[in-house]
Amino acid sequence: AQRVTQPEKLLSVFKGAPVELKCNYSYSGSPELFWYVQYSRQRLQLLLRHISRESIKGFTADLNKGETSFHLKKPFAQEEDSAMYYCALRDAYSGAGSYQLTFGKGTKLSVIP
Amino acid sequence: SQTIHQWPATLVQPVGSPLSLECTVEGTSNPNLYWYRQAAGRGLQLLFYSVGIGQISSEVPQNLSASRPQDRQFILSSKKLLLSDSGFYLCACMLGGYYEQYFGPGTRLTVT
Repeated sequence: AQRVTQPEKLLSVFKGAPVELKCNYSYSGSPELFWYVQYSRQRLQLLLRHISRESIKGFTADLNKGETSFHLKKPFAQEEDSAMYYCALRDAYSGAGSYQLTFGKGTKLSVIP
Repeated sequence: SQTIHQWPATLVQPVGSPLSLECTVEGTSNPNLYWYRQAAGRGLQLLFYSVGIGQISSEVPQNLSASRPQDRQFILSSKKLLLSDSGFYLCACMLGGYYEQYFGPGTRLTVT
């Protein structure tokens, strides 16, 4: 069964410091990885997807198949980055058209001014 | 672009009472639809998903059921609520070439 692990429930960093939110996955197939973010009083929204190799709001994430990781990074944290972050995995070849996502338990990022 | 609506936004219900949460989607047709429960420290738990009208798959055996009476309507129900049903319920739909999911604003359910 596929699994997503986010080892930190809470991560506190100072403004301007680098941020790394860890995500490890367990899956034998070919996964697609996503990061979702939930700001206070806002709905859960997609931050970035590994397949696009994009940088959103200064965040990047690289899929490391050897280490089965998809850590989210930002060189300089901003106060507005404070939010709940979820890593999610989708089986790239899932059948039955369900396209289910498996989510980690989330990491709450707190950026200290 | 698509829009996902959920109502009610908050709900307080006594134990043993019925439940009906509604999710509707605009701006797309034949989406995959999902119900999740979000609990502090436990992340998002997939409850049900639907790939079409009348097609429901359950991921977790429990006190809840789901129905999809129309293409863009997804309903979460219970005949008798339990205290453990309290939580934040999210509806999501799948769109896009990369198959990411888009979420509604959620319903906060408190069972007393």
